[in-house]
Amino acid sequence: GDSVTQTEGLVTVTEGLPVKLNCTYQTTYLTIAFFWYVQYLNEAPQVLLKSSTDNKRTEHQGFHATLHKSSSSFHLQKSSAQLSDSALYYCALASSGSWQLIFGSGTQLTVMP
Amino acid sequence: EAGVTQSPRYAVLQEGQAVSFWCDPISGHDTLYWYQQPRDQGPQLLVYFRDEAVIDNSQLPSDRFSAVRPKGTNSTLKIQSAKQGDTATYLCASSLGAGNTLYFGEGSRLIVV
Repeated sequence: GDSVTQTEGLVTVTEGLPVKLNCTYQTTYLTIAFFWYVQYLNEAPQVLLKSSTDNKRTEHQGFHATLHKSSSSFHLQKSSAQLSDSALYYCALASSGSWQLIFGSGTQLTVMP
Repeated sequence: EAGVTQSPRYAVLQEGQAVSFWCDPISGHDTLYWYQQPRDQGPQLLVYFRDEAVIDNSQLPSDRFSAVRPKGTNSTLKIQSAKQGDTATYLCASSLGAGNTLYFGEGSRLIVV
């Protein structure tokens, strides 16, 4: 079945420095949609980015990600982390096999002053 | 536009008791999902509906969990004879069609003691 891997459970970065959260996936289907969701403490996950186009950069709220089907990756990046970015970030995949959303295990991002 | 509404927000049960969670999706969204999110883990799909039909309930513990969406709008997730391992937040989400962005409710946090 489909799977999503987020290798870092916890990422700590200093305010103003760049941050990268890794996400790789496995699927046997060709048509996929990829998402990054952010979950603030005691709140529901909310969509941050969505992409279904190979090698196309997607941006929102200062974050960006590019789907690379050749390497099965959809890493999330930001050039300058802000204190308000501290949250739990989930990578998620919807493949044409079932179109249900499969989540990774999440990465807790902490931005330090 | 109103978002996804869930109730109750919190429930504390003793083992063996039953609980029902209710979800009102975004108006017009045909697809409704129930996810279980244990503490410090990513959301895991339990069941999802297209209109009133169950599309996939393969991850739903059928002996104690049940879910319905009789009119293709609101949905109820019921846990009978709760166990400590059911302690988690139960998230409802809805989308317009498959493979599109999921919008989550704030969740129902269940503690089984």
